[in-house]
Amino acid sequence: GENVEQHPSTLSVQEGDSAVIKCTYSDSASNYFPWYKQELGKRPQLIIDIRSNVGEKKDQRIAVTLNKTAKHFSLHITETQPEDSAVYFCAASPGTYKYIFGTGTRLKVLA
Amino acid sequence: GAVVSQHPSWVICKSGTSVKIECRSLDFQATTMFWYRQFPKQSLMLMATSNEGSKATYEQGVEKDKFLINHASLTLSTLTVTSAHPEDSSFYICSARDEASGTSEQFFGPGTRLTVL
Repeated sequence: GENVEQHPSTLSVQEGDSAVIKCTYSDSASNYFPWYKQELGKRPQLIIDIRSNVGEKKDQRIAVTLNKTAKHFSLHITETQPEDSAVYFCAASPGTYKYIFGTGTRLKVLA
Repeated sequence: GAVVSQHPSWVICKSGTSVKIECRSLDFQATTMFWYRQFPKQSLMLMATSNEGSKATYEQGVEKDKFLINHASLTLSTLTVTSAHPEDSSFYICSARDEASGTSEQFFGPGTRLTVL
């Protein structure tokens, strides 16, 4: 079945700097890759997603890139702010609409 | 739109008892819902796919007789943890896809924190 690896597990950046989180997946049939932000004790919130027929997508300070050949996808956050501090999860959907999540990245933005 | 609720938000029970968690799609219909379990500081692990009107599909390693799933209507799925033990203590989250939207996005419920004493 699908397996998703996510790195790094923790990331600290200075406010205003960029943050990059990387994921790899194993199942070439996966065709949808969402990124979620989760604050402590709360539900995951979708922040951006990308389909397999697209290489890059951007939404203001957030962007996602996908390399299907290498089975890599990455989240880029620019001009980080303290409120960006949270746990971020990538996921891959290998069909039947189910998600397999990565292990998560705890992002801390230092003011 | 696309709101998913869960009830209860937290529950404490004694070892050996059963606990039922409800997941509802409030403003859309969902023939498919998903149940996840999340231990502290860990990722969301997919437990099963709940299918309206048919049996759930469980992920490898998840005991179907322990985690009973019922999806009797297009807006409600329930997860029953039978004979709960302390190791079942976790954060249980459901999600649903709004099929009418044509997108793959899943909308998550707020989660249920289960503590088994």
